[in-house]
Amino acid sequence: EIVMTQSPATLSVSPGERATLSCRASQSVSSNLAWYQQKPGQAPRLLIYGASTRATGIPARFSGSGSGTEFTLTISSLQSEDFAVYYCQQYNNWPTFGGGTKVEIK
Amino acid sequence: QVQLQESGPGLVKPSQTLSLTCTVSGGSISSGSYYWSWIRQPAGKGLEWIGRIYTSGSTNYNPSLKSRVTISVDTSKNQFSLKLSSVTAADTAVYYCARDHFLLGNWFDPWGQGTLVTVSS
Repeated sequence: EIVMTQSPATLSVSPGERATLSCRASQSVSSNLAWYQQKPGQAPRLLIYGASTRATGIPARFSGSGSGTEFTLTISSLQSEDFAVYYCQQYNNWPTFGGGTKVEIK
Repeated sequence: QVQLQESGPGLVKPSQTLSLTCTVSGGSISSGSYYWSWIRQPAGKGLEWIGRIYTSGSTNYNPSLKSRVTISVDTSKNQFSLKLSSVTAADTAVYYCARDHFLLGNWFDPWGQGTLVTVSS
């Protein structure tokens, strides 16, 4: 099993500021990584796949980078609707998810 | 656009079998371009992939659940289903179905809204 570790567990950010979320894999997953956003009481929504490709309809303020074992999701200027929990997921092997990063209002 | 909706009992007794169905609308489950997956999330916790099925009936399961999981498909009803046997309280979770882009790279989009299943006597 490939273990995905996300940091920090909670990120406090002011609206308009930049948020940087990290995801680390226990072994290389190449670029086989996706990011999801989940709001309370809702299903996860796909943001990024292939480590850096935005899904359809996702605003340009969301960007993904990295390969191998280290990945980053950046939200360039946080909007009110961006406060949520974010999960990374690898698909180099059978799918596994990280534990999530909660982005909260500072 | 494609939408998914989970249905099934919200309460299951320990040792019994959990059964859920996912109905796909807005597109054919037999389109051939996608797999169809089940994913679960215990309250306040992270996500766990359970397994996937292709319209041919080909399946893949999470090794940690494989001995208890069966996923099937009914193309005539545009549905796929999950059975999880010998459930315990640890199987209490919100269960999601999702379209699985396995042929391209195995990400999940879109997801159903989820259904809470509680295992309790």
